[in-house]
Amino acid sequence: EADIYQTPRYLVIGTGKKITLECSQTMGHDKMYWYQQDPGMELHLIHYSYGVNSTEKGDLSSESTVSRIRTEHFPLTLESARPSHTSQYLCASSDPTGVSSYEQYFGPGTRLTVT
Amino acid sequence: RKEVEQDPGPFNVPEGATVAFNCTYSNSASQSFFWYRQDCRKEPKLLMSVYSSGNEDGRFTAQLNRASQYISLLIRDSKLSDSATYLCVVTKFSGGYNKLIFGAGTRLAVHP
Repeated sequence: EADIYQTPRYLVIGTGKKITLECSQTMGHDKMYWYQQDPGMELHLIHYSYGVNSTEKGDLSSESTVSRIRTEHFPLTLESARPSHTSQYLCASSDPTGVSSYEQYFGPGTRLTVT
Repeated sequence: RKEVEQDPGPFNVPEGATVAFNCTYSNSASQSFFWYRQDCRKEPKLLMSVYSSGNEDGRFTAQLNRASQYISLLIRDSKLSDSATYLCVVTKFSGGYNKLIFGAGTRLAVHP
């Protein structure tokens, strides 16, 4: 069982609010990722990090930002939430030295609704 | 065109049936291939890797055809618990790193 956690699991918030989605893992993985997934659609990579103080934008343009100050923590922030940000946000991590270095372990996700 | 294409389904099959899913990918440089499983409103989990020679894990068999850029997953003796969405995943080298590209998934519903 993967040890990767996301909070909150569900969030309903008004337009213009600042929000931070938390993601933590206790596996010591260097690589971490944020994906966005709409119902019935594919996961899209929006941010990734290959270690502390390393962050990169993914393939899908996003107005969110991320930080990686500690190995285990990879929070995602939206400065001003809009209805178009309504989606599910999934955090994942992987171990580049593992037997299957491409296997990504996902957190349970945060369902964000912006009204 | 999407980088990974899958038939969305749903595939509705009775218990005990054999069902096959297909997937095509557009990047001929992709090196690694996987099937992930995602239950309704849950996170994706790795089901199995896909090797060039084909590989089997219990009731599940995965095949890769690099020439046709085609991946398949065969499930034998379907169980109710196999009901889920199956995601085809390939790697893509971009920005100096290998990233995972996910298909939108094929939904399987196994009924009694």
